[in-house]
Amino acid sequence: QSALTQPASVSGSPGQSITISCSGTSSDVGGYNYVSWYQQHHPGKAPRLMIYDVSNRPSGVSNRFSGSKSGNTASLTISGLQAEDEADYYCSSYTSSSVWVFGGGTKLTVL
Amino acid sequence: VQLVESGGGLVQPGGSLRLSCVASGFNFNSYSMNWVRQAPGKGLEWLSYITSTSSTIYYADSVRGRFTVSRDNAKNSVWLQMNSLRDEDTAVYYCAKVGGPYGVDYWGQGTQVTVSS
Repeated sequence: QSALTQPASVSGSPGQSITISCSGTSSDVGGYNYVSWYQQHHPGKAPRLMIYDVSNRPSGVSNRFSGSKSGNTASLTISGLQAEDEADYYCSSYTSSSVWVFGGGTKLTVL
Repeated sequence: VQLVESGGGLVQPGGSLRLSCVASGFNFNSYSMNWVRQAPGKGLEWLSYITSTSSTIYYADSVRGRFTVSRDNAKNSVWLQMNSLRDEDTAVYYCAKVGGPYGVDYWGQGTQVTVSS
C-alpha cells in the first residue's frame, strides 16, 4: 500500500490555471476509474471531496475544478485560480487490494 | 450528513483508546464506513473499512492486529478500538462515509489522539 506520488507544492497567480499530478501504478490509479481528489484548508480539519470517479464533480463544487487520467497518472486542474483555492490537495485511488491509498498531498499557494 | 467523532485523548505507549463516531443525515445502515488518520504535518492515511453489514472488514498494514473496527446500525455508530498504541499513532483520526468505489464523500471533524509518555 505505497502512497500515490504528488508534487509537494504548486503555485499560481489569481486567474491562472494549475495542474496537480498523482502518480500510481496499474494496481491503483491505472487499473480503476476510481480516483478522487480532496481539498483541505487546514491540517486537522475535515477534507472536502472535489472530484470523484476521475472526473466527476459533486454538487456544489465549482466547475473550475476538473479531473483527468492517463495511464497510471491522474491530474487535478484548477482554472481561474482564486485566493480561496489555497489549500492542501490529496488524491486517492481504489486499489487491487480492495482498499484505498492516498497521495502525499500537494500544497497549493495562490501568489 | 454529519459525522461526529469522540474518544480521542492522551494515552501512554502500549495503551488503548476507543474512538466513536455517530452518524446522522443519511441512511447509515446502507453505507460502508472508513477510518482515516493524519499525523502532524503529514498526509492522509487510510486505516480501516467496514461494510454496511459488517460482513467485510479491511485494515491497513500499519494497524492490522492492533486496531479493530465495529459498528452498530441501530445506534448509527462506528467504533475504532485501538490497542498497543505507539508514538507513531499520534494523529487526528477521521470517521468517513464511503460514497462508492472511489472512496470517501463525507468526513467527520476528526478527533486528536496523542500517544506519549
